Amino acid sequence: SQTIHQWPATLVQPVGSPLSLECTVEGTSNPNLYWYRQAAGRGLQLLFYSVGIGQISSEVPQNLSASRPQDRQFILSSKKLLLSDSGFYLCAWKVSRRYNSPLHFGNGTRLTVT
Amino acid sequence: QQQVKQSPQSLIVQKGGISIINCAYENTAFDYFPWYQQFPGKGPALLIAIRPDVSEKKEGRFTISFNKSAKQFSLHIMDSQPGDSATYFCAAVGGTSYGKLTFGQGTILTVHP
Repeated sequence: SQTIHQWPATLVQPVGSPLSLECTVEGTSNPNLYWYRQAAGRGLQLLFYSVGIGQISSEVPQNLSASRPQDRQFILSSKKLLLSDSGFYLCAWKVSRRYNSPLHFGNGTRLTVT
Repeated sequence: QQQVKQSPQSLIVQKGGISIINCAYENTAFDYFPWYQQFPGKGPALLIAIRPDVSEKKEGRFTISFNKSAKQFSLHIMDSQPGDSATYFCAAVGGTSYGKLTFGQGTILTVHP
């Protein structure tokens, strides 16, 4: 069966520090991968998506970047965190050849920038 | 045109009551409409989904009603239970979007015992 792993679960970082959040998917190949951010009490904002290794599309210009160094690995990064980067970050995947296949989310990383 | 508008933002229901959450969309290219349930501190999970060729889909206590002409769809939770207390998101996707879902803003449902 397919599983998605996201870590760390919580993270407290000072303003100006770097960030690296990692997500891996098991049990499937060539998935579409997504990074979402959820601010407190708000909806789901799509940040990046990837349809293959090295292929990254950005939805919102910002202080963050994403990379996909391996088929089932998706990384969210920042060189210098801002207070506004605080939020709940969710990685998700779906079967690539079926646009209407279910989107599966990880359990998220709660990031607090102080 | 890409938005999905969801209402209400929050909903309080007594145990055993019916919870109703509504969504509306503009993009006629959308042809798959899932609902997600999210508990605090967890990622959203697929609850139920519908395609526009049917007007209603039921799974247990959860029912989606779909009105293609009005471009509206809704989630009904029958016999609501305290364990249903969560945030619910409607979403929509079309075939040219690389599977990117457009989510509604979410509804926080509280079911009182």
